[in-house]
Amino acid sequence: DGGITQSPKYLFRKEGQNVTLSCEQNLNHDAMYWYRQDPGQGLRLIYYSQIVNDFQKGDIAEGYSVSREKKESFPLTVTSAQKNPTAFYLCASKGRGGGELFFGEGSRLTVL
Amino acid sequence: ILNVEQSPQSLHVQEGDSTNFTCSFPSSNFYALHWYRWETAKSPEALFVMTLNGDEKKKGRISATLNTKEGYSYLYIKGSQPEDSATYLCAFNSNSGYALNFGKGTSLLVTP
Repeated sequence: DGGITQSPKYLFRKEGQNVTLSCEQNLNHDAMYWYRQDPGQGLRLIYYSQIVNDFQKGDIAEGYSVSREKKESFPLTVTSAQKNPTAFYLCASKGRGGGELFFGEGSRLTVL
Repeated sequence: ILNVEQSPQSLHVQEGDSTNFTCSFPSSNFYALHWYRWETAKSPEALFVMTLNGDEKKKGRISATLNTKEGYSYLYIKGSQPEDSATYLCAFNSNSGYALNFGKGTSLLVTP
């Protein structure tokens, strides 16, 4: 079935460690996005990519990095520079010309 | 960051009740307004993508209206069922941006 797969679903890390969250899609979508959710807040955009080998910072990019080497993959690295990394992370994609976003099931990162 | 407001924050209704939520967004530079349903432990799923002022869309018992001139959209659920329990997200896309700006959502609980 076509869709977006995020892994891992849950992740625990010690403070100061970098962490990479995986996002893979088999929908042949050009655009991919990373959002973060915190309690009581809306989804906030971290990074997005409109096309392979290109990506743009979103509203809260500090402390995060991404790559887009393949169309189907858009991994997010949460670096030690991110001050409050504990959150729920959602990946999404969008087809060319299509309006709606397709989401993964999310990854919950807890930094101890 | 473009401000998208949703109200109420949460809602508890009885099975069979009809209900509605509000989403307000900037009335300038409008491109599209999205509604998503997010059930617990699942991915958010698109309900509607609306682009034209005065547009009204319907999917089963759920419908939505759009007023781009005054910057609001309503989502209606007729005859709520327990399976409608979810968080309903509204997202705004301006014509100067590639990514969606989300509201905080309205959490709906429908009890039998």
